[in-house]
Amino acid sequence: DTAVSQTPKYLVTQMGNDKSIKCEQNLGHDTMYWYKQDSKKFLKIMFSYNNKELIINETVPNRFSPKSPDKAHLNLHINSLELGDSAVYFCASSQEDLWGVSTDTQYFGPGTRLTVL
Amino acid sequence: GNSVTQMEGPVTLSEEAFLTINCTYTATGYPSLFWYVQYPGEGLQLLLKATKADDKGSNKGFEATYRKETTSFHLEKGSVQVSDSAVYFCALSPYSGAGSYQLTFGKGTKLSVIP
Repeated sequence: DTAVSQTPKYLVTQMGNDKSIKCEQNLGHDTMYWYKQDSKKFLKIMFSYNNKELIINETVPNRFSPKSPDKAHLNLHINSLELGDSAVYFCASSQEDLWGVSTDTQYFGPGTRLTVL
Repeated sequence: GNSVTQMEGPVTLSEEAFLTINCTYTATGYPSLFWYVQYPGEGLQLLLKATKADDKGSNKGFEATYRKETTSFHLEKGSVQVSDSAVYFCALSPYSGAGSYQLTFGKGTKLSVIP
């Protein structure tokens, strides 16, 4: 049983296209995240989202937008893809405690390798 | 701001050798500290964590102690195996408000263990 899953695993597309990456978690968690891992393996937070608030890393271009149809899903939409968007994108999730505060242990999906040509 | 610095790789060791991967951090307040591991072609897995000073996290023979005085969280293992070959990430997690933690990662250290 996969806890955090992402589709597709690989995505190859042309510059200028619009694409989406899907993420689903079956852990019952309340907060989900998107991270970007560049070619040098450096990981950087892009977004965190729960049913109350979206927190955006200020360095993320507004061509990137997370969309959450329900608590178990946080999809990543990317408009007008650029060469520099090529990377591995990881989704993650974490639980909230009884006081509605997210715990700090995050569970990661397997990643989506995006290649922009 | 928050940052994590870990030793540059790659690190190549023989099986059963002792492993140390250094990690130091800069953060306001009292962050939680983590080691994540990424095996080839896979996502990140939590290896161990520590949430306050002097805590020791341990898992699968790996250990790391939260040292507030030296702002460090070095990863150690007494005897590595070929199956430990992976990229190891040190990370910190300050509470970022609104019920959300955003992890800050180091740049990763690739470990290769040869038989």
